[in-house]
This record gives sequence, structure tokens and C-alpha cells, in this order.
Amino acid sequence: EIVLTQSPGTLSLSPGERATLSCRASQSVNMNYLAWYQQKPGQAPRLLIYGASSRATGIRDRFSGSGSGTDFTLTISRLEPEDFAVYYCQQYGTSPWTFGQGTKVEIK
Amino acid sequence: EVQLVESGGGLVQPGGSLRLSCAASGFTFSSYWMSWVRQAPGKGLEWVANIKKDGSEKQYVESVKGRFTISRDNPKNSLDLQMNSLRAEDTAVYYCARWTMTAFDIWGQGTMVTVSS
Repeated sequence: EIVLTQSPGTLSLSPGERATLSCRASQSVNMNYLAWYQQKPGQAPRLLIYGASSRATGIRDRFSGSGSGTDFTLTISRLEPEDFAVYYCQQYGTSPWTFGQGTKVEIK
Repeated sequence: EVQLVESGGGLVQPGGSLRLSCAASGFTFSSYWMSWVRQAPGKGLEWVANIKKDGSEKQYVESVKGRFTISRDNPKNSLDLQMNSLRAEDTAVYYCARWTMTAFDIWGQGTMVTVSS
């Protein structure tokens, strides 16, 4: 099973700042099959990025994904108030599909 | 509107059974793999099971193999999860999700399952 480790656990930033979230895999993710999701309290997750760097439909271009192999990054270029949430990475290159433990982006 | 609506959650004793359902609308249900993903209280996400478009292939996370069964009824646009021999560690919000072969792009609102005596 591929273990995904997200860092940091919590990121305290102000609106307008840049957020950089890391997702590290215990082994290489096949075909860079990695997705990112955003989850707000009491809501279902929302897809942001798939295939490591492709934005999902309707996702603003301030969200970008990068990386390959075992190291992946989600970048939010300028935080908007609605971006404060928990973010999860997920790999789907190897069964069982696994998620990271999440990074909480909170208002500083 | 593309939508997934789960139902069937509740309180069940350890060792008991529960059947979750997911009603799909707004898209061609039979064209997509479908999945169940769960989230224990205050914890992260865990993929549980998925099923091929025609129901001919099913996959499960190791911890539920032999206890959970995923199924679908394409004419009725519905997805089910039969959960038997439930354990305390199965307590979670269970989400129905559409799998596009690249990500879970549509999620339901979730249904809570609590396993407790």
C-alpha cells in the first residue's frame, strides 16, 4: 500500500498569501496518478486537481498542482477567504487507492 | 444537475448489518465506475470500494473484504453498499462518489454510520 504523507499538518496564513502544500508518497506514484481535494467543515470533498497538475472543471487558476514520482505539491497562489479548508492528496496509480492525512489551511 | 444522494445510515450494534444506498441523477449512471469513500469522525478519507460500469468488477480495501459488498442497479441509477459484521472502526461518514478514471469528481453529502452498543 502506498502511504501518502502530507506536510505541514497545519498552515497558518493570511488572505492574499501563497500556500504551498506537500504530499510525499512512500513509493513512486504510477503515471503521476495523483489528485487533490478540498474539504470544508460539514461538507463533502471537492476535486481540485487530477493527474498531478490538471485543474478540474470550474477550479480557479490560483490553484495549481505539480510534481512527479514521489513528491507532489499543491500551490494556492493568493489565498481567498473561501480557501481556508483541509486539503487531501490521493493516489490512484496503485490499488488500494490511498489518501494523505490532510493539511489544514487556517487563517492566521 | 449532477447529484448523488446517500441514505441508509444509522446506529447499529457491533456485529450487525446495514445497507447504504446512493441515488444518482443528472448524468448517465451506467457510463461511470462508482465508489464508496468513508471518513471516521475527525479523521481523513479512506477509499472503501468501487464497482465497474456494468458491475462486472469490484474492488475493496483489505479491511472490509468479506464483510462489505458493493452493487449497482443501472436501470434504477442506484449504488448500494451492504455492510455485514460491522465493527466499531467502521464508524464513519460514508460518501458515494463518481469515479472518472482520474479522480472522484462528484460526491454525495454523506451518510453517517455509527457502530456502537
